Order: sequence, then C-alpha cells, then structure tokens
Amino acid sequence: GEDVEQSLFLSVREGDSSVINCTYTDSSSTYLYWYKQEPGAGLQLLTYIFSNMDMKQDQRLTVLLNKKDKHLSLRIADTQTGDSAIYFCAESPYSGAGSYQLTFGKGTKLSVIP
Amino acid sequence: NAGVTQTPKFQVLKTGQSMTLQCAQDMNHEYMSWYRQDPGMGLRLIHYSVGAGITDQGEVPNGYNVSRSTTEDFPLRLLSAAPSQTSVYFCASTSKGVTDTQYFGPGTRLTVL
Repeated sequence: GEDVEQSLFLSVREGDSSVINCTYTDSSSTYLYWYKQEPGAGLQLLTYIFSNMDMKQDQRLTVLLNKKDKHLSLRIADTQTGDSAIYFCAESPYSGAGSYQLTFGKGTKLSVIP
Repeated sequence: NAGVTQTPKFQVLKTGQSMTLQCAQDMNHEYMSWYRQDPGMGLRLIHYSVGAGITDQGEVPNGYNVSRSTTEDFPLRLLSAAPSQTSVYFCASTSKGVTDTQYFGPGTRLTVL
C-alpha cells in the first residue's frame, strides 16, 4: 500500500529557513499536500502541488517535488514562532472528488526557538 | 459559514458503551470523511462518503459505522467502544474545485477506559 514518511522533529531558530522533508512510495500519486496542525486544532491546508510540477512558491512557502526520488519538501522562509506546529505531508492518487482518500505521513513537529 | 463543526469536543467512555460523534458542514460539500489521529501515526481514514446515501470504508473501518442521510451531516458511531479506539477524531469535507481542498473540523478527543 501507499506509504508516506517524514522525520518526526525539526528545530530551527526564528528568522532561519525551515525545510521539512517527505518521501512517498505510490508512483501514481497525483496530488501532494502540506497541512499544518496547531495544538488542539484541526488540520489546515497550507499548499499543494500537482505531480506534473517541480516547484511551487506561495509567499514564504516553497514546495519542491522530485518525482524520480519521490521526495517532497516544504521550505518556510524567515520562520516565525507562529510557525511552530506539526506539519503533515499527504498524497492522493486522485484528482477532484477523490482527494478525500488522502494518505498522511506521521507529521513533523516544528519547534521555533526565539 | 461555520465550516466543519464537530461535537462533542471531549468524551470519556467506558469499554462497551456506544456513542455517536457528530459532524456537520455548511459548505454544501458532497464529499466527507472521518479520520483518527494517534500519536506518531498521522491520520488514518476510517470511512468516507461521496454523497447522501453513499458511504464506503477507509483504511481502519472496524468498530465504526457511518451513515449519510443528508449532505450536511456525517455522524460516526461506535457501537461498543474499546480502549483501542482512544484517539482524536477528525471529520473533513472536500470541495470539488481544482485545489481539492479538504476542510477539517476541530476534532473530538475520545478516551475509552
């Protein structure tokens, strides 16, 4: 079955860049997502990338996709204390309505040191 | 819009008790899902629905039932709670737009003693 792997913890200093990495095994993955979960809250979609893209930038967020290595990364520029949260990588082989069948990684807990 | 709402926020059950976790959305989304989140396990799909009257199993459906009588509501039922069902439960609904955004509820923290 599909598998999504992430490192569990990352610690960075405020103002530095954070890079959160993710690998996936399903070669049919079409959509790849990054979600953010703050303590006691649900998941918030940060950004997504289609498998036919290599990079996507959205303000402080940059997503890089290496399809050959099945590797996805999320870079947060100028990391702030408000970025402290758990970040989940997720994939879906489906577009449109099928995106409810997401496979999630276990999440990376980002701690930002003031 | 209230988005996706879940009740209750916290619940403690004894083994063998039954209960229903409520989920509602006011965005007219056809697609709704239930996930459980366990420490170090990420989120796992329990059941999902592609529209009123239609439901299907996800990765971990055992011990849970769902129904979808209306577009807005997607309750999750535990018929006989077990300690292994201690978890945080998230409901989500999905738009049909290009971004395929899943909107998540705030979660229900369930403890089964």
